[in-house]
Amino acid sequence: AQSVTQLDSQVPVFEEAPVELRCNYSSSVSVYLFWYVQYPNQGLQLLLKYLSGSTLVKGINGFEAEFNKSQTSFHLRKPSVHISDTAEYFCAVRPQGAQKLVFGQGTRLTINP
Amino acid sequence: GAGVSQSPSNKVTEKGKDVELRCDPISGHTALYWYRQSLGQGLEFLIYFQGNSAPDKSGLPSDRFSAERTGGSVSTLTIQRTQQEDSAVYLCASSSAGNRGSYNEQFFGPGTRLTVL
Repeated sequence: AQSVTQLDSQVPVFEEAPVELRCNYSSSVSVYLFWYVQYPNQGLQLLLKYLSGSTLVKGINGFEAEFNKSQTSFHLRKPSVHISDTAEYFCAVRPQGAQKLVFGQGTRLTINP
Repeated sequence: GAGVSQSPSNKVTEKGKDVELRCDPISGHTALYWYRQSLGQGLEFLIYFQGNSAPDKSGLPSDRFSAERTGGSVSTLTIQRTQQEDSAVYLCASSSAGNRGSYNEQFFGPGTRLTVL
């Protein structure tokens, strides 16, 4: 079985400050890793994914994440946030060979001016 | 259509009633998924279709929940004898192929917000 833990349920930051949203996972099989964003009153949108290769992956809107296999982590970072980044962010894994996504509980990112 | 669509967008029902939620996937997508987003449980997988077959229905929480897909396109999620704990946002996603060992992005619909009074 797989599980995903997002260590912070809420993260408030000031505009133009850097941010890191933490994600750890556990799995007995290899997984693909994802970050999704959900803007207020909208559906889920894929931010970025790690399938294989370089452990640093870049996504949309200036976000990036680094896969750390030894620490089973996939933390999301952005060097300078904008008001428009206010949203809920979900880390997810997909076991290789399966189709379902297993999500973390989500982190609500609030950007203050 | 351009994306995954779901209907209704909101549904309010009384405890004990049956409800049907509909999902229209992206044209040509053979794989379809249902997830549930609730305050207590977060985002949970319910069921996965490949074509009209459901090889993984491990996430359905009870036998009150069922889903079908016809013509390899539209899917309906049915909840019988609804309970208050069924209140949640039900999300549908679709992807192309969905074969084992390959990656195909899941595109999500806007969801149906179900409220059971």
